[in-house]
Amino acid sequence: AQSVTQPDIHITVSEGASLELRCNYSYGATPYLFWYVQSPGQGLQLLLKYFSGDTLVQGIKGFEAEFKRSQSSFNLRKPSVHWSDAAEYFCAVGAWGGADGLTFGKGTHLIIQP
Amino acid sequence: DVKVTQSSRYLVKRTGEKVFLECVQDMDHENMFWYRQDPGLGLRLIYFSYDVKMKEKGDIPEGYSVSREKKERFSLILESASTNQTSMYLCASSSKRGPTDTQYFGPGTRLTVL
Repeated sequence: AQSVTQPDIHITVSEGASLELRCNYSYGATPYLFWYVQSPGQGLQLLLKYFSGDTLVQGIKGFEAEFKRSQSSFNLRKPSVHWSDAAEYFCAVGAWGGADGLTFGKGTHLIIQP
Repeated sequence: DVKVTQSSRYLVKRTGEKVFLECVQDMDHENMFWYRQDPGLGLRLIYFSYDVKMKEKGDIPEGYSVSREKKERFSLILESASTNQTSMYLCASSSKRGPTDTQYFGPGTRLTVL
C-alpha cells in the first residue's frame, strides 16, 4: 500500500521569503502525486499534480513541485510567499489497483510572519 | 466551476443518534468520496462510490455506512454516533475512475458528538 510522509507539522516563513514544503512517498510503481491546500474554514483545493513527463510541475498561485524518483520526494516550492498563503498543505498519492481515494499526508501548517 | 456542497457546516449530535451527512455535486461526476479529517492525522478515506448504488470501503469504514441513490448525491450515515466520531467530514468528487483525476472537495461538515 502507498503512504505519504510530510515531515514538518508546522513551518513559519517571513512574507516575501522562499518556501519549500517536503513530501516523501512510498509506492512500488509510478505514483500519481498531488498537492492540495486548505485555507481556514475551506475545503481542499488542488495546487498541482504529477503523473509523468517533466518532473518540474507548475501549479496555481505561483507554486511548483519537483518529482525526484531517486529520493521518493515531491517537494512543493514557492519563490516568494504572501500572507494569503497561510494555510494547511497536504501532499497525496494515488495508485491503481486499490480504492480510488487518495492517500494523504498528515499536512503541514504554514504560518506567514509579517 | 465544479461545485460540491455539503448539507451542514456545523452539526452537534448526541451519542447514539443516527446522523446523516449529505453531499451533492453538480458536475455529473462518476466518483464520490467521504473523508474524515483529524488534527495530526490528515485525511483518511471512509468510503467511496464509483456509480449509483455502488460503494467501496476505504481505510476506516467501521461505524459508518453510505448511500448513493442518485448520481449527484452521496450520503454518509453514522448509525449510532459515538464521541470518537467527532471530526471534520469532507466530501469529494471526481469525474472518472482511477487515481489520476482531480478530486474536488466540499467545504466540510464539522461534527461534534456529545
